[in-house]
Amino acid sequence: DAGVTQSPTHLIKTRGQQVTLRCSPKSGHDTVSWYQQALGQGPQFIFQYYEEEERQRGNFPDRFSGHQFPNYSSELNVNALLLGDSALYLCASTRGLSTDTQYFGPGTRLTVL
Amino acid sequence: EDQVTQSPEALRLQEGESSSLNCSYTVSGLRGLFWYRQDPGKGPEFLFTLYSAGEEKEKERLKATLTKKESFLHITAPKPEDSATYLCAASNQAGTALIFGKGTTLSVSS
Repeated sequence: DAGVTQSPTHLIKTRGQQVTLRCSPKSGHDTVSWYQQALGQGPQFIFQYYEEEERQRGNFPDRFSGHQFPNYSSELNVNALLLGDSALYLCASTRGLSTDTQYFGPGTRLTVL
Repeated sequence: EDQVTQSPEALRLQEGESSSLNCSYTVSGLRGLFWYRQDPGKGPEFLFTLYSAGEEKEKERLKATLTKKESFLHITAPKPEDSATYLCAASNQAGTALIFGKGTTLSVSS
């Protein structure tokens, strides 16, 4: 049973650049959520996608955008990168919009120089 | 504002020394309370989901409990491999987004 996968594992960018992170949900899951985890902090919710639409959004600026594809995989895009965007970006998947457990991927470590 | 607070921030135990981690929450319309384990540089690994006060779940040396204001993660006779950061998260009536605490970093020495 394939779990949540994310790519790339690590990424280094410079300020002002744009980045795209990718996520494939666990088999049987159709809902994908993205979280940002700064060093020493708990994950913070960015947004959630279900049926190819953004269903819920956290307190993040419009520089953060996303997309979900018909196969349920998802992308997170961040424009005009800031130093403060350096973090571990986590993808989580679940079934529908229920309170079923969300399963996390290994994350993408983004470093902005 | 919905909030999840974990204590202590860090905990050092000797192997076999049982203890508890605390997670207090102020969430409008709690829909679920979740515990995860996270190893350095990795994604959170699911441990337990609790839905209502009085509920308890167990797995090996871990036991999670839930009241109307807080949740506890009890660790019985811990081993060095239990060393990790334990994260508590809650979902509220607005949806299924998880609101996380900052975590408790547990170190177990032999």
